[in-house]
Amino acid sequence: DTGVSQDPRHKITKRGQNVTFRCDPISEHNRLYWYRQTLGQGPEFLTYFQNEAQLEKSRLLSDRFSAERPKGSFSTLEIQRTEQGDSAMYLCASSLGLAFHETQYFGPGTRLLVL
Amino acid sequence: GDSVTQMEGPVTLSEEAFLTINCTYTATGYPSLFWYVQYPGEGLQLLLKATKADDKGSNKGFEATYRKETTSFHLEKGSVQVSDSAVYFCAHTVGGDKLIFGTGTRLQVFP
Repeated sequence: DTGVSQDPRHKITKRGQNVTFRCDPISEHNRLYWYRQTLGQGPEFLTYFQNEAQLEKSRLLSDRFSAERPKGSFSTLEIQRTEQGDSAMYLCASSLGLAFHETQYFGPGTRLLVL
Repeated sequence: GDSVTQMEGPVTLSEEAFLTINCTYTATGYPSLFWYVQYPGEGLQLLLKATKADDKGSNKGFEATYRKETTSFHLEKGSVQVSDSAVYFCAHTVGGDKLIFGTGTRLQVFP
């Protein structure tokens, strides 16, 4: 069990550019979550998948954000036309997905800075 | 709406002091309650959890009891160590299992 991994760990981009982040969950975990954490705040839910199906999206997830989990394994989060307000830590978590309210295991995060 | 409120930090303590970090929640239905910890330079780790009223979660000397009547899940430890210095997040699950987090409480323990 290698834990949840995220790539890249850090990303600096210019406003208006597109960025894509990857998350590899713990193997055999069916649920995958994305959260965003800004400085001094707790993580905020963005979206989650059960296998390849995206089951819920937060209103925080504007049209510029899109997430996929094509084969029910890894997931990508893309931000188009980045804005300075997108600067944050993007966290991925996974859980077994066999019951409600299971423990979610978090990755180290991708820190995004939009200049 | 669903939310979590936890005490402002930083909390500054001497080694071996008693720790309490208050957490209250607002939730519909029957949430599970969690404490996550974030050590410097590391990701979020589950510290403990409780899934129903009156359950006590415990780990590494930390404890928290699910109090439905007061909608609280306060974190306690009898004797903190320097290595406990971290940011602690209270959270609960709602709906499709998304976590609602508090803003976090930074704990600083000095020798």
